[in-house]
Amino acid sequence: QKEVEQNSGPLSVPEGAIASLNCTYSDRGSQSFFWYRQYSGKSPELIMFIYSNGDKEDGRFTAQLNKASQYVSLLIRDSQPSDSATYLCAGDTGNQFYFGTGTSLTVIP
Amino acid sequence: DGGITQSPKYLFRKEGQNVTLSCEQNLNHDAMYWYRQDPGQGLRLIYYSQIVNDFQKGDIAEGYSVSREKKESFPLTVTSAQKNPTAFYLCASSIGSGWTDTQYFGPGTRLTVL
Repeated sequence: QKEVEQNSGPLSVPEGAIASLNCTYSDRGSQSFFWYRQYSGKSPELIMFIYSNGDKEDGRFTAQLNKASQYVSLLIRDSQPSDSATYLCAGDTGNQFYFGTGTSLTVIP
Repeated sequence: DGGITQSPKYLFRKEGQNVTLSCEQNLNHDAMYWYRQDPGQGLRLIYYSQIVNDFQKGDIAEGYSVSREKKESFPLTVTSAQKNPTAFYLCASSIGSGWTDTQYFGPGTRLTVL
């Protein structure tokens, strides 16, 4: 069983729409979760992290954590073509990070 | 500029050869990590180091070796024992040694075995 799972997509949304990316995790003891964006051929770059249940907003991005249901989501408002990338979810298991396989997002102009 | 550098960007290796990938950081981070990324498989942890002169194996350490003689440097050697070394290799670092500390990535090295 994978520690962190994501739908690989591809997910396509029109420009200006809200993109919703989801991630589930198996370890109930996981405390911290991270969303990274990875453009093709490049390394992952951090978008945001979340530790507490609920929502955390940073500009156009909102991370949501629901520990009871063991899922993490990332919402991207007013999606732009430059948001087209693969989004990686990562969670800790207490002794290391586990990364999901990533969800490919395409924002259509 | 503070950051993480990896070299080379592209590396080609013949079967049976050992190669060493460089990773340097000037962020004064304590912890450093090596990941491997294959298409459709996400990132997998090879080795990590939380302090100088100490490192631990990750999930896929077989066929790899590392050293941590300086805080700034964490080179990875891909040995001939690694059966399928062609992949994108990512080095990361974090300020602390806890697994809740944010990891920041270098630009990566793409290794191809000919």
